[in-house]
Amino acid sequence: ELKVEQNPLFLSMQEGKNYTIYCNYSTTSDRLYWYRQDPGKSLESLFVLLSNGAVKQEGRLMASLDTKARLSTLHITAAVHDLSATYFCAVDCRYSGGGADGLTFGKGTHLIIQP
Amino acid sequence: NAGVTQTPKFRILKIGQSMTLQCTQDMNHNYMYWYRQDPGMGLKLIYYSVGAGITDKGEVPNGYNVSRSTTEDFPLRLELAAPSQTSVYFCASSYSFWAEHGTDTQYFGPGTRLTVL
Repeated sequence: ELKVEQNPLFLSMQEGKNYTIYCNYSTTSDRLYWYRQDPGKSLESLFVLLSNGAVKQEGRLMASLDTKARLSTLHITAAVHDLSATYFCAVDCRYSGGGADGLTFGKGTHLIIQP
Repeated sequence: NAGVTQTPKFRILKIGQSMTLQCTQDMNHNYMYWYRQDPGMGLKLIYYSVGAGITDKGEVPNGYNVSRSTTEDFPLRLELAAPSQTSVYFCASSYSFWAEHGTDTQYFGPGTRLTVL
């Protein structure tokens, strides 16, 4: 059974600081996704990581993937209040891991950035 | 282009009642999914469909049924609602797995918040 673990689950930080969210998964993956969810809202796609060593950046967010370590990171640079949200990683292993044709999600990291 | 739409947005059911959650997408996606999100948790896959007429179970299918008669619509049916089905339900859609990079992400609807009392 595929397991996806994120840490930390809760993070409170100050504006201007840097921090990293970690996502570990238990089996070979085909793709890894990062999503953002604001309170009471739907999920917004941030990044899709397809291969080992993949790195993608959008504004103050940068995501990377190490398939050998089964680890993805979401790095926040010089955080601003608008980045406060819950961040989910999700793994698609339908071919390599034999999972269903859908995503397996971590529990999410609830991020609060204080002015 | 409305993307993925869901109705209703909120619903309260009594134990034993039934209802259908509607989901429609206008992006001509082959794949559609239903997830549920319990408080403080990630999403769990209930059912999915890879095309009209084809559906399959996800991680937590018990108590639910689906159908896919058209590419656009993927309704989720709750029979004999139970308190354990209190959750937020998200519908999502995507192109096929082998679509070009950048088009393979799942697009989520706004969600239906369901309470069973």
